[in-house]
Parts: sequence; structure tokens; C-alpha cells
Amino acid sequence: DTAVSQTPKYLVTQMGNDKSIKCEQNLGHDTMYWYKQDSKKFLKIMFSYNNKELIINETVPNRFSPKSPDKAHLNLHINSLELGDSAVYFCASSQSTGSLSGNTIYFGEGSWLTVV
Amino acid sequence: RKEVEQDPGPFNVPEGATVAFNCTYSNSASQSFFWYRQDCRKEPKLLMSVYSSGNEDGRFTAQLNRASQYISLLIRDSKLSDSATYLCAVNIAGYALNFGKGTSLLVTP
Repeated sequence: DTAVSQTPKYLVTQMGNDKSIKCEQNLGHDTMYWYKQDSKKFLKIMFSYNNKELIINETVPNRFSPKSPDKAHLNLHINSLELGDSAVYFCASSQSTGSLSGNTIYFGEGSWLTVV
Repeated sequence: RKEVEQDPGPFNVPEGATVAFNCTYSNSASQSFFWYRQDCRKEPKLLMSVYSSGNEDGRFTAQLNRASQYISLLIRDSKLSDSATYLCAVNIAGYALNFGKGTSLLVTP
């Protein structure tokens, strides 16, 4: 079974559309994340949730809205997509953020978003 | 100044060679350190944690120098399958991992 799974894996959409990416983890972890990897391969944190509560919200346009219905799920909704949103979006999870041993992050396979 | 910096490479080395990567971090409060490996069009995967005393896992050795705020990864006896991008990651408790941009390694026959 895949530990961190996200769907869809590939998404091609037009500018201005609204799209969602779903993520689920079956590791029993408390913390989930969304990272963005741009064309220059820089992997940057966007959001982090701990037990369904938002704990990290980096400088991300408010067109991006995460939602965590429970601690095993963290979805990402993007409104009014722009060309610059094209990237790979990785969902990830870790046991916690508060302890050193719990900081190891496990990634999903990524969602390749192309905005045309 | 970026929080985590790495030489992007690429490092092109022949099979059997030893290669070393360095990574510097800017926040002295950083507490945990990792090396991840990312293959082309795949997700990053944990290669190894980096401990204060240094640690080894087979052909891979990781070192931490807190005074100079850098970590290193040494790969001995390089294999073709080691070709990948190696990402350094640094964390402060309570926050997410910050990643460097990665160092690209190509091992050639």
C-alpha cells in the first residue's frame, strides 16, 4: 500500500480554472504538508497541518487553500489558476514537527500541474 | 541569503569514484538534518539522517559541522544507480523541513 498517495498525478488545465489535488496518508502521522517544486527544482514548503490545524502558511497567494478534513487527509484547492502555478505539487507527512525524531518527511509521488 | 544552500553541480564522476557534497544552512537554531535523494520525475526519498557524531550507511557517510553550519555527504565506490539529485534538508523543531535546491550527480561507466 502506498503510504502517501495523491491524486491526480497529472493535470493539464486552462488559465482561470479552479482545480483540487487530494492527498491521503496511511502512516498514522499527525502532520501533513504541501510542497511545491518549480521548474528550477526548488522544493518549497507551502502549508503544514498538524492534527487538522494549520501550523505553517508560507507566503502563498490566497488562491491556494488547503483543507484537512481529518489528520489523514490534506487537500489543496487552487482558484483562478495562472501560468506560474505550473509545477509539481508534493504532499508529504511526518509523525510530528515537535520532536527531532518525528521530523522525517515522507513524500507522495507528486502531482504534475500544467496550466496552459 | 537562502536558508539552505547547495552546489547544484552537476557532478560527473566515473563508476567507483568517491564524491562528496556539501550543504550550508543559515539558521544556527537548526536541530535536525537529512539527506534526501530524488530521481528524475520522482518524489524525494529519505537517504539518511545526519547525526552530530556523523554516521555511515554502507557506502554513504554523513557529517555535521555545527560550528561552521554545514553538512556533508560522502559516497564511496559510486554506482551507476547513484545517479540522482541529492537534497539537503534542515529543520527547526516545530517547523517543516527546508530543502536546498539539490546537487545533481551523474555516475558514468
